[in-house]
Amino acid sequence: GAVVSQHPSWVICKSGTSVKIECRSLDFQATTMFWYRQFPKQSLMLMATSNEGSKATYEQGVEKDKFLINHASLTLSTLTVTSAHPEDSSFYICSARQRQESSYEQYFGPGTRLTVT
Amino acid sequence: AQSVTQLGSHVSVSEGALVLLRCNYSSSVPPYLFWYVQYPNQGLQLLLKYTTGATLVKGINGFEAEFKKSETSFHLTKPSAHMSDAAEYFCAVSLYGGYNKLIFGAGTRLAVHP
Repeated sequence: GAVVSQHPSWVICKSGTSVKIECRSLDFQATTMFWYRQFPKQSLMLMATSNEGSKATYEQGVEKDKFLINHASLTLSTLTVTSAHPEDSSFYICSARQRQESSYEQYFGPGTRLTVT
Repeated sequence: AQSVTQLGSHVSVSEGALVLLRCNYSSSVPPYLFWYVQYPNQGLQLLLKYTTGATLVKGINGFEAEFKKSETSFHLTKPSAHMSDAAEYFCAVSLYGGYNKLIFGAGTRLAVHP
């Protein structure tokens, strides 16, 4: 159980275009989802925390108008990179926390490799 | 503020040798601690976690870690390394059991040689 999927697994887009990444909890309801980005050979950096039905909370230094996050249902959160530039190329990973209050684990998706040309 | 320090960005061991990956944390309140493994181009897989109770925690794939409050450490060990253990390992800390965000260490890349 507790499987998180991401789609697409990799994407190449041209500079200036927008790309949407989906994060789904397949077998549980996730009240909270987290979005991370990871540069090569580096650790995960939290970008934002997404709560179902409310606005996402962005970490300091993350442009909320550039990285649009929507958590419209208990099983789906989306990250849209708007007007992508080559410096946005990175590995984006989402995680999800179960709905039950006592649950504390985050379950991670397999990641999405974004390359902006 | 919470933080995590992983000593050694690269660790190399021989197959069959002891694996020791070091993690020290800083937290003003009792932490919840996690070790994750990441294989190339994949997401993170939970190896083990410490919440409360027994300080020696056993995880998957033969790994274990011991929470030492006096040393603010949560080192990961495995008695005998396998080639398949070669991966990136991340230590993470969270307040209130992950209800809040996870703070990750910089990661340690484990290489296993025949």
